[in-house]
Amino acid sequence: DQQVKQNSPSLSVQEGRISILNCDYTNSMFDYFLWYKKYPAEGPTFLISISSIKDKNEDGRFTVFLNKSAKHLSLHIVPSQPGDSAVYFCAASENYGQNFVFGPGTRLSVLP
Amino acid sequence: NAGVTQTPKFQVLKTGQSMTLQCAQDMNHNSMYWYRQDPGMGLRLIYYSASEGTTDKGEVPNGYNVSRLNKREFSLRLESAAPSQTSVYFCASSEVGRQPQHFGDGTRLSIL
Repeated sequence: DQQVKQNSPSLSVQEGRISILNCDYTNSMFDYFLWYKKYPAEGPTFLISISSIKDKNEDGRFTVFLNKSAKHLSLHIVPSQPGDSAVYFCAASENYGQNFVFGPGTRLSVLP
Repeated sequence: NAGVTQTPKFQVLKTGQSMTLQCAQDMNHNSMYWYRQDPGMGLRLIYYSASEGTTDKGEVPNGYNVSRLNKREFSLRLESAAPSQTSVYFCASSEVGRQPQHFGDGTRLSIL
């Protein structure tokens, strides 16, 4: 059973609009979350993180929101750009561990 | 700025053949990891090495062995390849603590 779920395999948005990527988890012990972006034929690259002591973290156009009671996090990209088109993975770890559990990914397409 | 380098990038094997995937990082990171990525699934941890001289099993270790040759290098060996091991393999490294992992560009392995 997947502990980290990304229920939308794909998402399309218009350039300049907001992209919202969602991630749900089942393990209440997860306390550190990351988002990675992956282009074809490349490895994932780190985007943004959030610790369970926060409910929001921002870095430029990227904001991650964490709702611990719902075991849900989301990544907002504003404004979306064509270069944001990639697969986005959510990952989680527990007890300050370095072993992350990854979701299956969401493919984002930003249309010009 | 090489980061994490994986070799080879592509490989085709026959069932029963053996193969070693190589990984090297130049960031002086203590921890290194091997993942596999299959369609519709996130990255799954095969083995990791928290520091030079130590290795531990991850979520899917069966059929694999690893060697942490030194601080820079972490290899993954398939002793007797099976078609179920057809996948894209990613190596990653990180510093200790709550630090994101840095990934190589992957090895595409097909086993016929």
